[in-house]
Amino acid sequence: DVKVTQSSRYLVKRTGEKVFLECVQDMDHENMFWYRQDPGLGLRLIYFSYDVKMKEKGDIPEGYSVSREKKERFSLILESASTNQTSMYLCASSFRTGSYEQYFGPGTRLTVT
Amino acid sequence: QKEVEQDPGPLSVPEGAIVSLNCTYSNSAFQYFMWYRQYSRKGPELLMYTYSSGNKEDGRFTAQVDKSSKYISLFIRDSQPSDSATYLCAMWRGTSYGKLTFGQGTILTVHP
Repeated sequence: DVKVTQSSRYLVKRTGEKVFLECVQDMDHENMFWYRQDPGLGLRLIYFSYDVKMKEKGDIPEGYSVSREKKERFSLILESASTNQTSMYLCASSFRTGSYEQYFGPGTRLTVT
Repeated sequence: QKEVEQDPGPLSVPEGAIVSLNCTYSNSAFQYFMWYRQYSRKGPELLMYTYSSGNKEDGRFTAQVDKSSKYISLFIRDSQPSDSATYLCAMWRGTSYGKLTFGQGTILTVHP
């Protein structure tokens, strides 16, 4: 059974703080993704990675960075958190082939005050 | 204009009803069409996928793709309260390292 875990379910941070969200998958997937989910906007891709140390910008990368030092781990970094980054953050992973199936973690609800 | 448009609802139906969920898209390069289901406080899970045009059936669920109209549908027959969830359509060109484009999601409630 594929498992994608995220470091926190709920997180409250102050404006200007540096925030780290971590994601780990146990299925040796090549691809990993970070999304944010907001009401009425659906899932929007922030960054994705197709291999260790490789990353590509998604649709809304501004204000975020990522790190993938090991195949199983993909981190999302908010360099200086702002209130408009309050959201649900979802991590996902998939195989390089058959990538129509992404496996999602349970999400981190981040509130920036 | 968004690449994928989905009516966010919410949709509320009685148990046993037939539910129709729909998405339209603008990018003719999409080849794979998926429906993900997301229960409250969980991540989305793949429900069904279709490659290119046509129909696919899985139990009470039927997915339809009409590439000529750039329109996809998910039908749920004999809906159950356990079907209450957010349904997200998603599309993939078959390239680009598995980058999917999602619709906004439709919130469905099936009441007993």
